[in-house]
Amino acid sequence: QKEVEQNSGPLSVPEGAIASLNCTYSDRGSQSFFWYRQYSGKSPELIMFIYSNGDKEDGRFTAQLNKASQYVSLLIRDSQPSDSATYLCAVTLSSARQLTFGSGTQLTVLP
Amino acid sequence: NAGVTQTPKFQVLKTGQSMTLQCAQDMNHNSMYWYRQDPGMGLRLIYYSASEGTTDKGEVPNGYNVSRLNKREFSLRLESAAPSQTSVYFCASSERGDEQFFGPGTRLTVL
Repeated sequence: QKEVEQNSGPLSVPEGAIASLNCTYSDRGSQSFFWYRQYSGKSPELIMFIYSNGDKEDGRFTAQLNKASQYVSLLIRDSQPSDSATYLCAVTLSSARQLTFGSGTQLTVLP
Repeated sequence: NAGVTQTPKFQVLKTGQSMTLQCAQDMNHNSMYWYRQDPGMGLRLIYYSASEGTTDKGEVPNGYNVSRLNKREFSLRLESAAPSQTSVYFCASSERGDEQFFGPGTRLTVL
């Protein structure tokens, strides 16, 4: 079992819809959770982080963390074509002061 | 602030050649990282340096060496390049080891 798993997609949503991206992790001791956005041919860019159970909102983005179920999700409201990218989930495992990345979910927002 | 910079942006090598990828950060971060990214594999950690003067292996260190030259600079060396090392290489830096900021990447092709 991979330590951090994401659906590879591709996930397609119409413009204006809510895009929901999910990530599960295997280490119950994980403390920090991050979402990166990566446009094709570019480097990953940090867009959200969450440390505590519950929701964290930043503009059109909401990160949700459920440590009991070991999943973290990212919701993008009012999706725009400019949101089309690969979204990487990253987790700080309890055994190391490093990030472990999922393989990413490719999102396409259709005009 | 330039953030994290990497050189070169592109490189083509022949099997057996050596090269060094350079990375520098101007955010006064303690930790620096080298990742490789291959299609469908996400980001995999090659080596990291938690602080100046220390380096540690990541998930895929074979065939690579690193040097933390000072707090700003962290280089990655391929002593004898192999086609399996064809990839995109990203350097990242972090203050505490979790929230990481990435450079623009180096696209390496080994023939």
